[in-house]
Amino acid sequence: NAGVTQTPKFQVLKTGQSMTLQCAQDMNHNSMYWYRQDPGMGLRLIYYSASEGTTDKGEVPNGYNVSRLNKREFSLRLESAAPSQTSVYFCAGGQTQETQYFGPGTRLLVL
Amino acid sequence: AQRVTQPEKLLSVFKGAPVELKCNYSYSGSPELFWYVQYSRQRLQLLLRHISRESIKGFTADLNKGETSFHLKKPFAQEEDSAMYYCALISYNTDKLIFGTGTRLQVFP
Repeated sequence: NAGVTQTPKFQVLKTGQSMTLQCAQDMNHNSMYWYRQDPGMGLRLIYYSASEGTTDKGEVPNGYNVSRLNKREFSLRLESAAPSQTSVYFCAGGQTQETQYFGPGTRLLVL
Repeated sequence: AQRVTQPEKLLSVFKGAPVELKCNYSYSGSPELFWYVQYSRQRLQLLLRHISRESIKGFTADLNKGETSFHLKKPFAQEEDSAMYYCALISYNTDKLIFGTGTRLQVFP
């Protein structure tokens, strides 16, 4: 029972490159979330998915797309990475807002 | 507007000293407030929630509606308490968590 897992752990991109951050949960949660964590900004919600097949924008969705293909997996895609997207990305899953279980995070550096 | 404010970026104390991590909020109505903690090289996890009025790892937090605060307190800090602490509330219109900017607690031996 791994909980919430994220891959990769670290990634360096050049401006304009694309990549997909993967998230998977084995806790049978309906809801999944993607956050970014920046110094002095706290955690900000990028996108969330209340159930399989549905996604909605959070506070800072610009520059990102998401995909919830099944209940376990929720991926975050950067189509054309920008330096402003340098951050630590956290995926979370939960049945309720307060019981979110967070993944270990992905550190992304965009040069 | 709904907002969570953590005025201190860094709080440094010595082991055994009392700790108070400040959190103020802006909210219409009765908020649901939480404290999350992130230890070094670990994932973010829920520490406590105000509705349960519990004490976790010696930490407590009381909701003060008059002062719109939800400060996290511990009477005697331990070195293992060193971590990043986030205060959060649930937005009443989006039903999503809104996090503060976080306070890093350093407990020196």
